[in-house]
Amino acid sequence: QKEVEQNSGPLSVPEGAIASLNCTYSDRVSQSFFWYRQYSGKSPELIMSIYSNGDKEDGRFTAQLNKASQYVSLLIRDSQPSDSATYLCAVVMDSNYQLIWGAGTKLIIKP
Amino acid sequence: DAGVTQSPTHLIKTRGQHVTLRCSPISGHKSVSWYQQVLGQGPQFIFQYYEKEERGRGNFPDRFSARQFPNYSSELNVNALLLGDSALYLCASSFSGGVGSPLHFGNGTRLTVT
Repeated sequence: QKEVEQNSGPLSVPEGAIASLNCTYSDRVSQSFFWYRQYSGKSPELIMSIYSNGDKEDGRFTAQLNKASQYVSLLIRDSQPSDSATYLCAVVMDSNYQLIWGAGTKLIIKP
Repeated sequence: DAGVTQSPTHLIKTRGQHVTLRCSPISGHKSVSWYQQVLGQGPQFIFQYYEKEERGRGNFPDRFSARQFPNYSSELNVNALLLGDSALYLCASSFSGGVGSPLHFGNGTRLTVT
């Protein structure tokens, strides 16, 4: 089992709709979770960090964390074509205190 | 403000050669981390340095080494290059050395080994 798993996609969403990206992780006691966005040929950039169970909202982005079920998700409301990118989930594994990355989900927003 | 800068942007090397990649962190950031990213995969952790000391090392062979200088810039060295070393090498800086600190990435160095 991979430590951090994401559906590779591509996930195709119409413009204006809600895009839902999911990530599961193996370390039950992980405490820190991050979503990064990576445009093709560019480096990752931080979108959201979340540390506690529940929802965290920042503009059109909402991160959701459920530690009991070991998943973290990212919702993008009112999706725009500029949101088309690969979204990377990263988790700090308590077992080795390293930041472990998923392979990313490619999101395509169709005008 | 200048972000994280990496050089060179692209590099082509032959198997068996050696390569040095360079990174300058954001001003005020004391931690530098190096990642390898192969197409279609997430970044793989190579090294982290904080205050010029190695804080962490990923699962990479001894052919990979790094160091951090007094001005917090860093070098990643790879010896005896293999075809499988072809990847995007990312440098990221953060203010503190905490593994949960938000990372600020440079634009990367695209290494091609032929």
